[in-house]
Amino acid sequence: DAGVIQSPRHEVTEMGQEVTLRCKPISGHDYLFWYRQTMMRGLELLIYFNNNVPIDDSGMPEDRFSAKMPNASFSTLKIQPSEPRDSAVYFCASSPSTGSGTQYFGPGTRLTVL
Amino acid sequence: DAKTTQPNSMESNEEEPVHLPCNHSTISGTDYIHWYRQLPSQGPEYVIHGLTSNVNNRMASLAIAEDRKSSTLILHRATLRDAAVYYCILTLPGSGNTGKLIFGQGTTLQVKP
Repeated sequence: DAGVIQSPRHEVTEMGQEVTLRCKPISGHDYLFWYRQTMMRGLELLIYFNNNVPIDDSGMPEDRFSAKMPNASFSTLKIQPSEPRDSAVYFCASSPSTGSGTQYFGPGTRLTVL
Repeated sequence: DAKTTQPNSMESNEEEPVHLPCNHSTISGTDYIHWYRQLPSQGPEYVIHGLTSNVNNRMASLAIAEDRKSSTLILHRATLRDAAVYYCILTLPGSGNTGKLIFGQGTTLQVKP
């Protein structure tokens, strides 16, 4: 199994530009999570989906952030417009619906907004 | 929300056992105790989890106190590759079968050669 796949691994953009981060969960996993990690705030859960439906988006910081999951094998996190304070590492994780809820994380996307 | 308390940092010598403590005095009866670790420049990685009984796997052992208010992650022989941030996390009830993971600051483990 290839594990959770994220792209791009690194993204550098200018303030005001639209940024789209992509995630492919592990096949067969019903849950997908988006996290953000910064030095100041640590790892924060932004949003999670169950069977492609957003369940809890209370961690999404602002309306500039949006996430979609059009099918079971693909999700996007979009920031429009981006700001320097959005610079962080964004992780995607997936989890099966059975068991204790162990989550499997991707390698992350390091976003730098200039 | 049930919270965990961990030391900010710990040191160990290579090839020696490491005991990483975690306090979770407000744990509920349905909460699982999960441990994840994050190696430098990588995403968090599952280590082990348990509910009431002690658990062993190829990576580590988890010792859970009888009252479940604390637990200890045990690395039997630390290697340099085990240098990471270790997170002790309780899954929140009411989130379906998959608990939301709330990450604290974790314990930064340094392993000396």
